[in-house]
Amino acid sequence: AQSVTQPDIHITVSEGASLELRCNYSYGATPYLFWYVQSPGQGLQLLLKYFSGDTLVQGIKGFEAEFKRSQSSFNLRKPSVHWSDAAEYFCAVAPSQGNLIFGKGTKLSVKP
Amino acid sequence: SQTIHQWPATLVQPVGSPLSLECTVEGTSNPNLYWYRQAAGRGLQLLFYSVGIGQISSEVPQNLSASRPQDRQFILSSKKLLLSDSGFYLCAWRLEIDSYGYTFGSGTRLTVV
Repeated sequence: AQSVTQPDIHITVSEGASLELRCNYSYGATPYLFWYVQSPGQGLQLLLKYFSGDTLVQGIKGFEAEFKRSQSSFNLRKPSVHWSDAAEYFCAVAPSQGNLIFGKGTKLSVKP
Repeated sequence: SQTIHQWPATLVQPVGSPLSLECTVEGTSNPNLYWYRQAAGRGLQLLFYSVGIGQISSEVPQNLSASRPQDRQFILSSKKLLLSDSGFYLCAWRLEIDSYGYTFGSGTRLTVV
């Protein structure tokens, strides 16, 4: 069965520092991969998605993610974090024509 | 443009009472519709999805049910709420031809007391 693991439950970074949120998936083939962000009490907003092609994907708000097939990973990165990036981040996978499967999320706190 | 509406935003209900959460999508037709529940520390769990009117698939057995009486309307219901039904409920939609462009509603915070 497909699964998604986000090993970090909570991460704290200083404003202006770089950020990397980890995501590993389990699936027999290359799935569709996504990162979503959720502000407190809000719905989910899509940051970026990977279907095929270039393994480095650019998203909104200055985020990017890199698909590494050999490591079954799809880590999210941002070179310089802003206080407004504090939120919860979800990695998700979907097999072809299947439904989204989410990780348990990583909560990001930003220190001033 | 397409929009998704979900209401109410917050709800406090006693144990044993019924539940009805509504989700509607505007600006599109024949979307796939989804209900997710988010419980603390458990991520997002897919509860139900629908590919058309009257077509409901359940992902997990539970105290809840879903219905799709109209093309762009998706309702989550319960006859008798349990404490364990508390959580944040999110509705989402996507088009079959759109490669996984899921759009989520703003959610309903349900507290069962």
